[in-house]
Amino acid sequence: EAGVAQSPRYKIIEKRQSVAFWCNPISGHATLYWYQQILGQGPKLLIQFQNNGVVDDSQLPKDRFSAERLKGVDSTLKIQPAKLEDSAVYLCASSLVAYGTNEKLFFGSGTQLSVL
Amino acid sequence: QKEVEQDPGPLSVPEGAIVSLNCTYSNSAFQYFMWYRQYSRKGPELLMYTYSSGNKEDGRFTAQVDKSSKYISLFIRDSQPSDSATYLCAMSASGDYKLSFGAGTTVTVRA
Repeated sequence: EAGVAQSPRYKIIEKRQSVAFWCNPISGHATLYWYQQILGQGPKLLIQFQNNGVVDDSQLPKDRFSAERLKGVDSTLKIQPAKLEDSAVYLCASSLVAYGTNEKLFFGSGTQLSVL
Repeated sequence: QKEVEQDPGPLSVPEGAIVSLNCTYSNSAFQYFMWYRQYSRKGPELLMYTYSSGNKEDGRFTAQVDKSSKYISLFIRDSQPSDSATYLCAMSASGDYKLSFGAGTTVTVRA
């Protein structure tokens, strides 16, 4: 079974630039998550999609972050403009079943973002 | 106060030792408790999944949950160098998909 695919693996940008991350979940997984993991901290949920609809984006800084999941499959997370404090690993995860359940999450390897 | 507290370590043990990891939490609604293992430059991987209180064993790994004390533990017996990783506890309330993670404990098993 193929895992969650993410790209790029690493990205270095200067502050105020824009950046985009891509995620392809496990085939058939209805739910997709984007997490932010700052060095030395646990992952923090940014946004959750159920198919192509947003279930929860309460912790997404909407003035600079945006995400979409067209056709209910792969997803893109964008930051524009980036700030120094956005330096983190951005993890994509997917799960098989629907919102409201405590289902096993499968994580990708993440994109490590450095903002200079 | 953070919702989930986890000692970041680092923890260094010799091969074959028992590794003991723990987390405390403040939200009494948490019912589902998980331990994830995260190797360097990789995403977290689910290791143990426990519902409510009690113990769960899987090979060399044992997870314990004490809801009365709001305390969970993970024990690794006969530790191997391949167990060297960061271990994250995570938990959620019933019917709530949101996971609250601890900061992770970095473990090194010396050969």
